[in-house]
Amino acid sequence: DGGITQSPKYLFRKEGQNVTLSCEQNLNHDAMYWYRQDPGQGLRLIYYSQIVNDFQKGDIAEGYSVSREKKESFPLTVTSAQKNPTAFYLCASKPSGLYEQYFGPGTRLTVT
Amino acid sequence: KQEVTQIPAALSVPEGENLVLNCSFTDSAIYNLQWFRQDPGKGLTSLLLIQSSQREQTSGRLNASLDKSSGRSTLYIAASQPGDSATYLCAASLKAAGNKLTFGGGTRVLVKP
Repeated sequence: DGGITQSPKYLFRKEGQNVTLSCEQNLNHDAMYWYRQDPGQGLRLIYYSQIVNDFQKGDIAEGYSVSREKKESFPLTVTSAQKNPTAFYLCASKPSGLYEQYFGPGTRLTVT
Repeated sequence: KQEVTQIPAALSVPEGENLVLNCSFTDSAIYNLQWFRQDPGKGLTSLLLIQSSQREQTSGRLNASLDKSSGRSTLYIAASQPGDSATYLCAASLKAAGNKLTFGGGTRVLVKP
């Protein structure tokens, strides 16, 4: 099955701990994106990568970090510097030259 | 900076009624506008994508229009069904921003049987 997988679906962490969210795609898409969604709100872009070994900050990159060592994988680390990390995190990918983004099922992160 | 707004935030209609969902954006220099559906606790499913050169797109009971001059897009869902209950999000892609998407806050729809 082709698609985007995010794991785990639910993640719980204590305040002050770093946590890494997984995003894997087997669609052979070049571009990948991380978004954050807060209750009742739209999505906000955290980081994006258009090619392996390259990535750019989105609108709310502070307190987050990413890597893109493989085309299929774009993990997001939520660091202890992120002041309000509790949110729903969505990963997306897009083929080169086209516009439509394809989304994963999301990871709900709760930090207490 | 592009801002995308969806009003109302929620609406409820009886089954069979046509749905009209609104999306407005502040910068008309868009590449395209996309409409997505989101079920509770799930990811997004792309419904329709309208290129900047197009006025509308249709897929089954769904029709989306785009008016760049007024900064508006409308999603029409004909003959609504309870299964259409979900949150609908629009997102605009700006030419100057490397095709990054800017999302509206969504409209939560409830179709009552």
